[in-house]
Amino acid sequence: GIQVEQSPPDLILQEGANSTLRCNFSDSVNNLQWFHQNPWGQLINLFYIPSGTKQNGRLSATTVATERYSLLYISSSQTTDSGVYFCAVEPMKTSYDKVIFGPGTSLSVIP
Amino acid sequence: DTEVTQTPKHLVMGMTNKKSLKCEQHMGHRAMYWYKQKAKKPPELMFVYSYEKLSINESVPSRFSPECPNSSLLNLHLHALQPEDSALYLCASSLYGQVSNQPQHFGDGTRLSIL
Repeated sequence: GIQVEQSPPDLILQEGANSTLRCNFSDSVNNLQWFHQNPWGQLINLFYIPSGTKQNGRLSATTVATERYSLLYISSSQTTDSGVYFCAVEPMKTSYDKVIFGPGTSLSVIP
Repeated sequence: DTEVTQTPKHLVMGMTNKKSLKCEQHMGHRAMYWYKQKAKKPPELMFVYSYEKLSINESVPSRFSPECPNSSLLNLHLHALQPEDSALYLCASSLYGQVSNQPQHFGDGTRLSIL
């Protein structure tokens, strides 16, 4: 089956710093989503981005489907950005609706 | 608060108990999902209902039994669970299922502890 990798696994940032999170996937996908899971376990959809670039405030994401990777940019980080960032893909070759999550990047933003 | 509502938020049960987790959405979505998430791990898909048709992850044990009474409701019936089933159970929905091109929306989850 498809493999989803994320890097780095852990990241500590000083408040105000910028960062780039990466998601690699091993096969073609129908779609890709970025999620933020806060320390209370709430999973929030950040971007639905099967290809191209999107921006939402301090966050932006770029997916290059032909090269099988996606990037999530966080600018001017805040302590509320702390949590785990997951990318999740829907493989093209699947017998049923299936969304596979990467292992996540754990981000800690310190004041 | 999210548009996908899960109840209860917390559940503690013994291994011989029978309980149910409930999930509800009123966004008109036609696909609903159950995920299991262990600590420091990503969510793992358990079941999918797309247009009220069930798709199963074959690795999920039979002590978990999903039910979709209608397109807005999704239940997960629990029976004879094991301690390793303790986890966060997340429900999600999307407008359509496969080839949907629609994002998933998650509930806040039910934290389940098996004694």
